[in-house]
Amino acid sequence: QITLKESGPTLVKPTQTLTLTCTFSGFSLSTSGVGVGWIRQPPGKALEWLALIYWNDDKRYSPSLKSRLTITKDTSKNQVVLTMTNMDPVDTATYYCAHKGRGGDEGWFDPWGQGTLVTVSS
Amino acid sequence: SYELTQPPSVSVSPGQTASITCSGDKLGDKYACWYQQKPGQSPVLVIYQDSKRPSGIPERFSGSNSGNTATLTISGTQAMDEADYYCQAWDSRAVVFGGGTKLTVL
Repeated sequence: QITLKESGPTLVKPTQTLTLTCTFSGFSLSTSGVGVGWIRQPPGKALEWLALIYWNDDKRYSPSLKSRLTITKDTSKNQVVLTMTNMDPVDTATYYCAHKGRGGDEGWFDPWGQGTLVTVSS
Repeated sequence: SYELTQPPSVSVSPGQTASITCSGDKLGDKYACWYQQKPGQSPVLVIYQDSKRPSGIPERFSGSNSGNTATLTISGTQAMDEADYYCQAWDSRAVVFGGGTKLTVL
């Protein structure tokens, strides 16, 4: 059974850097084809994809947020870390991490973590 | 940048068929997938690779993708299917989500 759980601060101040950790079990990020992605959802709004890291350390970023995002993995700890710089109140959202299996750059996310709400406010 | 367009809302009577569309340029040349999200819950994959159902997803959920439109069809819609539905595809090494459709069963 694959499970993922997001952790990190619930409140950050504007201009600060957000660091979120996704801790997972039930799969290995050293397995060929596997990836972990980050997706966010502002309150009452749609899903927005942020970033993805593959088993071979290949990375994908949202074009609109690429300059602010960094995704890394620690295979030994079964963790993926997302950092987002220069946080703004519009970045207030629930942040999800999700497992991405086979399919390469055509695949899907399944399952998702429970999400963590991050509020950006001074 | 690539965009996927969904109707904001769709209404259906219990037992009837609901169809939710997702439009994008030459979407039929890509794989589309669909997620269901109920209030306060994380999204759940209901269709992948246009028309495949993950294990545990009821047979009443089906999908198709051709031309510029992918469609999620729910046959014999039940009250428990009331939720937000999001389509997703890839374009130029980036993931794209549609804006979501709220399905109301009334």
